[in-house]
Amino acid sequence: DIQMTQSPSSVSASVGDRVTITCRASQAISSWLAWYQQKPGKAPKLMIYGASSLQSGVPSRFSGSGSGTDFTLTISSLQPEDFAAYYCQQSKSFPWTFGQGTKVEV
Amino acid sequence: EVQLVESGGGLVQPGGSLRLSCAASGFTFSSYAMHWVRQAPGKGLEYVSTISSNGGSTYYANSVKGRFTVSRDNSKNTLYLQVGSLRAEDMAVYYCARNLRGTYNYGMDVWGQGATVTVSS
Repeated sequence: DIQMTQSPSSVSASVGDRVTITCRASQAISSWLAWYQQKPGKAPKLMIYGASSLQSGVPSRFSGSGSGTDFTLTISSLQPEDFAAYYCQQSKSFPWTFGQGTKVEV
Repeated sequence: EVQLVESGGGLVQPGGSLRLSCAASGFTFSSYAMHWVRQAPGKGLEYVSTISSNGGSTYYANSVKGRFTVSRDNSKNTLYLQVGSLRAEDMAVYYCARNLRGTYNYGMDVWGQGATVTVSS
């Protein structure tokens, strides 16, 4: 199975900050990576797919980059509604796997 | 409105079984592969299973292989997950989710609200 490792596990930030989360795959996954946002008690929400494509309806302050084994999710200017957990997920091969998550908190 | 609604969760004893359902509406269910993802209390997301649009192909996480079975009834717009030989570590919220595109490479764009499975004697 492909292992996904996210860092950091948590990040303290303030409104207006630029936040970057990294995700590393244990083997090359091309650009087959998605990012999800999850708020407490809610289902995950797809933010980025194909490593860098913004899902419909997602604000442009979110961006994704990377290919191969190293990926990043960037929030250019953190907004109050962005405080949440973020997960990367590889879709290169089954079984799909998720990173352990990164909590963005105050 | 595109929607997925899970049902069938509940309390089950270790070693027991349960069938989760996911009712789809607002889109052509038979055109989409579907997935199950779970989340144990206070933990991260864990991939569980995938089924192709016609049900001909299925995939599982190693942790559930041989104990869980995914299926679908396209005439009823419903996805199922039969969970069996349940263990304490299977206790989680189980989400169904829709595949974003025709191939398996883009992730999951629509999610249900989740069904809770509690494993306890």
